[in-house]
Amino acid sequence: DGGITQSPKYLFRKEGQNVTLSCEQNLNHDAMYWYRQDPGQGLRLIYYSQIVNDFQKGDIAEGYSVSREKKESFPLTVTSAQKNPTAFYLCASSTPGLAIYNEQFFGPGTRLTVL
Amino acid sequence: DQQVKQNSPSLSVQEGRISILNCDYTNSMFDYFLWYKKYPAEGPTFLISISSIKDKNEDGRFTVFLNKSAKHLSLHIVPSQPGDSAVYFCAADTTTDSWGKLQFGAGTQVVVTP
Repeated sequence: DGGITQSPKYLFRKEGQNVTLSCEQNLNHDAMYWYRQDPGQGLRLIYYSQIVNDFQKGDIAEGYSVSREKKESFPLTVTSAQKNPTAFYLCASSTPGLAIYNEQFFGPGTRLTVL
Repeated sequence: DQQVKQNSPSLSVQEGRISILNCDYTNSMFDYFLWYKKYPAEGPTFLISISSIKDKNEDGRFTVFLNKSAKHLSLHIVPSQPGDSAVYFCAADTTTDSWGKLQFGAGTQVVVTP
């Protein structure tokens, strides 16, 4: 059945290391998104991509990078330049609706802890 | 500068009673609003939405009300059930520009007690 997968569920890294979070969807959605959730805060948009080979910065893109080489995949790299990388990362996807609004579907998330 | 605010971080309600969650926004360009429900260590799931051309949308036990002049929306859950215990996020979008860039509130933790 269709959905969004994120792996791994828990990830530990040492400070100063880059780490890449995986996000795959088989919903045939055009758009994909990365959000970050911190305790007591809402979801904040890091990057989004509306079509393959194109992506845009969200509200908190500094210290992150993405690629969109395939429709199904939108990996997020947390670089050493990200000052507070420990957080819960959520990937989402959606498809543009011509006459109706199509909501975003979310993956199960990856909890990244930087030691 | 948070454009979507949920000022109540938590809400406790008895099973069978009504839960009312509130959300305020500042950006008058928002024209579509959504509510998501989230369990711990899981991704949010879509609950209900409303377009700015409406003032009410109902889906089973869930009803969302929109007051554009006050820039306020609310989610009513009636009757509340134990499975409704979760964090609820309000989100807003501007469909005429930057499509899909949802702005989320901080969430309200709902606890439904027996």
